[in-house]
Amino acid sequence: DAKTTQPPSMDCAEGRAANLPCNHSTISGNEYVYWYRQIHSQGPQYIIHGLKNNETNEMASLIITEDRKSSTLILPHATLRDTAVYYCIVRVASSGGSNYKLTFGKGTLLTVNP
Amino acid sequence: NAGVMQNPRHLVRRRGQEARLRCSPMKGHSHVYWYRQLPEEGLKFMVYLQKENIIDESGMPKERFSAEFPKEGPSILRIQQVVRGDSAAYFCASSPRTGGESDTQYFGPGTRLTVL
Repeated sequence: DAKTTQPPSMDCAEGRAANLPCNHSTISGNEYVYWYRQIHSQGPQYIIHGLKNNETNEMASLIITEDRKSSTLILPHATLRDTAVYYCIVRVASSGGSNYKLTFGKGTLLTVNP
Repeated sequence: NAGVMQNPRHLVRRRGQEARLRCSPMKGHSHVYWYRQLPEEGLKFMVYLQKENIIDESGMPKERFSAEFPKEGPSILRIQQVVRGDSAAYFCASSPRTGGESDTQYFGPGTRLTVL
């Protein structure tokens, strides 16, 4: 799986949009971008994933650049409860191989301030 | 729709005892994965199981650790003769199948093992 690079920490004001960047310059054509977050002492929570197109769900939006070498997770209206470590993971979503192993890096600690 | 369930949430053992961690996957999910998170570190893959089969245990320590996912009942991660270095958070995840977008893994709340 391709490696990812994320800033170690970011701050965001409550109610504002949080934009979390991720670089994955070695991503392959069949690799998806997944985002998880881990609120302190809890299990990782799946947020969203995408391949090429931008994606949106009830939690967040995922913007993937046209060359797919980077992406941004957007939390449109951050709340205090969004304070967490956010992980960007790329993985092959196809049968075979060991694509099921999620590789968690250090992620980005997002702190939402009142 | 219940999520992935793990129990116990907290487990304290003395050195040399056995620890048994349980994981019930989400309804309809037949694939289970165990990950370990040591203090101040990221999650590391340990083992991948399907019902009655261990598919990949490449992340498991060679000794004292074992996992199973029987036909009936939860998946069990068993640690024999625990040592202080086993103190960690153990997370279980499940997915409906492997391969393709539908194999998104959903995690449980974890079991925090403390070895005294």
